[in-house]
Amino acid sequence: DAGVTQSPTHLIKTRGQQVTLRCSPKSGHDTVSWYQQALGQGPQFIFQYYEEEERQRGNFPDRFSGHQFPNYSSELNVNALLLGDSALYLCASSSGLFYEQYFGPGTRLTVT
Amino acid sequence: QQPVQSPQAVILREGEDAVINCSSSKALYSVHWYRQKHGEAPVFLMILLKGGEQKGHDKISASFNEKKQQSSLYLTASQLSYSGTYFCGTASYNQGGKLIFGQGTELSVKP
Repeated sequence: DAGVTQSPTHLIKTRGQQVTLRCSPKSGHDTVSWYQQALGQGPQFIFQYYEEEERQRGNFPDRFSGHQFPNYSSELNVNALLLGDSALYLCASSSGLFYEQYFGPGTRLTVT
Repeated sequence: QQPVQSPQAVILREGEDAVINCSSSKALYSVHWYRQKHGEAPVFLMILLKGGEQKGHDKISASFNEKKQQSSLYLTASQLSYSGTYFCGTASYNQGGKLIFGQGTELSVKP
């Protein structure tokens, strides 16, 4: 049973650039949530996708956008990168909006 | 609002028990518990839903006081593998799966 997968594992970008992160949910799951985790802190909710629509959004600027595809996989896009965007980006999938979420291994983004 | 976890850190000897608490000021629909080891992703431990439904690992137990908006995670007969940072994530009504995580509790189990 394949778990949640994310790509790439690590990424280094320059301030001002744009980045796209990808996530494939666990088999049987239809909902994808994205989180940002800074070192030493808990994950911070960015947004959640279900039925290809953004259902919930956290306190993140419009530079953060996403998409969900018909096969339930998802992308997170960040434009105009800032140094403060450096973090571990986690994708989590669930079966529906309200139930337990399983996290992928994350993408470590470094902005220089 | 971010839930508050206590204690912030705890050190145990193998075989000892521990309780980690999570408290919210908002009316909650569910509480989720995760363990994260350094450099790894959070691992799902337990979900507790309003109304009493819960699901999780056999060796982990937890409670959810719906009146007080508090949850506790009980770790019994701790093993070295229990070491890590424990996070509670809370979801409010009408917020779907928007989990707000606490600041974490660092648990260290020594031989």
